[in-house]
Amino acid sequence: NAGVTQTPKFQVLKTGQSMTLQCAQDMNHNSMYWYRQDPGMGLRLIYYSASEGTTDKGEVPNGYNVSRLNKREFSLRLESAAPSQTSVYFCASSERGLNTGELFFGEGSRLTVL
Amino acid sequence: RKEVEQDPGPFNVPEGATVAFNCTYSNSASQSFFWYRQDCRKEPKLLMSVYSSGNEDGRFTAQLNRASQYISLLIRDSKLSDSATYLCVSRYGNKLVFGAGTILRVKS
Repeated sequence: NAGVTQTPKFQVLKTGQSMTLQCAQDMNHNSMYWYRQDPGMGLRLIYYSASEGTTDKGEVPNGYNVSRLNKREFSLRLESAAPSQTSVYFCASSERGLNTGELFFGEGSRLTVL
Repeated sequence: RKEVEQDPGPFNVPEGATVAFNCTYSNSASQSFFWYRQDCRKEPKLLMSVYSSGNEDGRFTAQLNRASQYISLLIRDSKLSDSATYLCVSRYGNKLVFGAGTILRVKS
């Protein structure tokens, strides 16, 4: 039962470097999400994809880009990393419309930008 | 103002105690509500939905008050394994909005 798989789990970057966080789900879910979690701030939505071929900005999209490569995969790219992007990133998926309110999360990717 | 607000705690309670958390939300158009649980350094997981009529799942009771725009979670007979962060969540359209969480520590 893989569920939602994120890679890498840990990454240290220098300011200005770029990287891509990969996410894949095997539950045939239509919707996928990227959140970041910071102390005292809770989970904040960066981007989401309601279905294959569509992406939309969330609450904190600046500095990020996403690609919904196919139904299974949704990647998050940092083009020029900044220390403010130090965070824990979670990918999640859900059935269409979030009818049950259940997001299935990956284990998280801990990113440090120096 | 945050869309979903919670007391960060921590709530330190002895085993067997009853503890309650409240959460307020600002978007009156929010369609549904949930409680998630997050263990230390782990991903969040759905604990239960919150229905207007109130609902129970074992030792857990959730309630929604739309008039006052708050949600509550009651945990009876607390166990050590209940120690976690509890996240209050509202749904609007195809998005979930998370509160920052309330930390619960159950001690023996």
